[in-house]
Amino acid sequence: KAGVTQTPRYLIKTRGQQVTLSCSPISGHRSVSWYQQTPGQGLQFLFEYFSETQRNKGNFPGRFSGRQFSNSRSEMNVSTLELGDSALYLCASSLAPGQGNSPLHFGNGTRLTVT
Amino acid sequence: AQSVTQLGSHVSVSEGALVLLRCNYSSSVPPYLFWYVQYPNQGLQLLLKYTTGATLVKGINGFEAEFKKSETSFHLTKPSAHMSDAAEYFCAVTANSGNTPLVFGKGTRLSVIA
Repeated sequence: KAGVTQTPRYLIKTRGQQVTLSCSPISGHRSVSWYQQTPGQGLQFLFEYFSETQRNKGNFPGRFSGRQFSNSRSEMNVSTLELGDSALYLCASSLAPGQGNSPLHFGNGTRLTVT
Repeated sequence: AQSVTQLGSHVSVSEGALVLLRCNYSSSVPPYLFWYVQYPNQGLQLLLKYTTGATLVKGINGFEAEFKKSETSFHLTKPSAHMSDAAEYFCAVTANSGNTPLVFGKGTRLSVIA
């Protein structure tokens, strides 16, 4: 079974631009979560989607948004990029929300560099 | 709310020595606890998890962890380190209700010396 696929793997953008990251979950997984990973802050939760609905949202500004499609694929968008948005963005999928019986499976991430 | 503290951002052990990575959590409700490992340029891989039942849980690659409620700890151990264990390890917690996202510690980088 294919794992979580994130595209692209690397992105370089300029301040002020916007970016869209894509995540394809494991087949049959309906829950998708996004995390931002930086050396200083570690892993910080962005949002979680299940059945096209946002279930939880982390403490990030409104420039960060996401959505989930009917096939469970998810995208996240960052508008008006800032230097501090440079990070590894990780997508994770699970069968359903709640990690007790359905732990998160992570993709390899998208490395975003803002110059 | 939940939080995780991992003691030691970097741990170095000799090959064949005991690996001990420390994790303490804070949770106002019964927790689910996890250890993940991250190799360079990769995502996170689940090592093991505690939900309910036996407090000593075994995971992949010879790792195990013990849930100690009285100490609010979930330390990760492996009897004998291997060079391939060099990676970053993350402890994580969520509420057992399943309605809260996974909260991660800052991570511990494990180095294994030949």
